[in-house]
Amino acid sequence: DQQVKQNSPSLSVQEGRISILNCDYTNSMFDYFLWYKKYPAEGPTFLISISSIKDKNEDGRFTVFLNKSAKHLSLHIVPSQPGDSAVYFCAASYSGTYKYIFGTGTRLKVLA
Amino acid sequence: EADIYQTPRYLVIGTGKKITLECSQTMGHDKMYWYQQDPGMELHLIHYSYGVNSTEKGDLSSESTVSRIRTEHFPLTLESARPSHTSQYLCASSSGGAYGYTFGSGTRLTVV
Repeated sequence: DQQVKQNSPSLSVQEGRISILNCDYTNSMFDYFLWYKKYPAEGPTFLISISSIKDKNEDGRFTVFLNKSAKHLSLHIVPSQPGDSAVYFCAASYSGTYKYIFGTGTRLKVLA
Repeated sequence: EADIYQTPRYLVIGTGKKITLECSQTMGHDKMYWYQQDPGMELHLIHYSYGVNSTEKGDLSSESTVSRIRTEHFPLTLESARPSHTSQYLCASSSGGAYGYTFGSGTRLTVV
């Protein structure tokens, strides 16, 4: 039973346009969410986070939106750059645990 | 510069061999984790530790074992490798703060 789902395995976007990566979760107890970026042959690196008390968090070109009622979060990258091409994982956890549950990832390709 | 180190990066080994995957971190994090990832799949938590002499099994059943004798060191051992153990193994550490985990570069294990 997958608690964190990324239903789009891949996404291609033109350089300069917006990339939108989606993530759905089933456990209403999740209250903290992260996005990680992963290049081939490297470990994932932290990108941006959001707590359930917020519905938006921005960091430069990256914005994460959280819709608690829909149990849905999305990562927006504007403008997209070729260096953003990577696999993006969303992850979720809930208070009292320090364990994150990961989605299957979305491979983003930004075309020059 | 990486603060969490995994060795080896790549390993090809015969069935039945005993192997130990090394993971060390220099950040003083008390929490450490091992995840297993197959291509196109989510990261599965197989072991975690919240401190010295404390280890727990994760959500995915694994035939591997771990130890945590020192804060900075969290090795994973397979007593008898099998082809079904072929996967990427990612080690991570955390202080429990807002940035989630710091991951190592991973060990890609192939059992032939």
